Amino acid sequence: GAVVSQHPSWVICKSGTSVKIECRSLDFQATTMFWYRQFPKQSLMLMATSNEGSKATYEQGVEKDKFLINHASLTLSTLTVTSAHPEDSSFYICSARDYSSYEQYFGPGTRLTVT
Amino acid sequence: QQQVKQSPQSLIVQKGGISIINCAYENTAFDYFPWYQQFPGKGPALLIAIRPDVSEKKEGRFTISFNKSAKQFSLHIMDSQPGDSATYFCAASSGNNNDMRFGAGTRLTVKP
Repeated sequence: GAVVSQHPSWVICKSGTSVKIECRSLDFQATTMFWYRQFPKQSLMLMATSNEGSKATYEQGVEKDKFLINHASLTLSTLTVTSAHPEDSSFYICSARDYSSYEQYFGPGTRLTVT
Repeated sequence: QQQVKQSPQSLIVQKGGISIINCAYENTAFDYFPWYQQFPGKGPALLIAIRPDVSEKKEGRFTISFNKSAKQFSLHIMDSQPGDSATYFCAASSGNNNDMRFGAGTRLTVKP
């Protein structure tokens, strides 16, 4: 089956620093990848849609300059949380849409803790 | 942002029982309705999905029932097992699956 990986799975950083999270589709090509944020016991909230080779589309209320998204290849998208603050602590999940089937597959998530 | 309403918020079922989770949507442009299962600390995993051209889809113990006129769909888990204990999310999207929206989630507990 289609596999999406995320790295790192867990990261702790100090307030004011930046953190990069990678999302890779391992056995399929994804022209579109999505980044979600999930707070404990809550649903997934779409943050942005990332299209290969173009600028990401951000959902209303999501700061573009804070959450930098790059989708440089058909198998890799990155989310960089810049100048992280404790309120950015959350579970970040990516998904990749198979360009041929349009099925969306989710990564295992990255737990970010900002101290 | 949530365009899909899901109920109940939590559900406790005895082993062997039937678990039923319901979802409703408003956007008639939605044409793809998946259900995801999520265990703590893990990403969601696709369980089963349906498109509006059918009213029911069954895969093993999992069945989706879809009512297009009522804009509702539900997940039925037959012979529920303790290993089914997880959070379940319904979702809906349109077109080429470019705008998936999730329900609030249902935390299912299956008691042995």
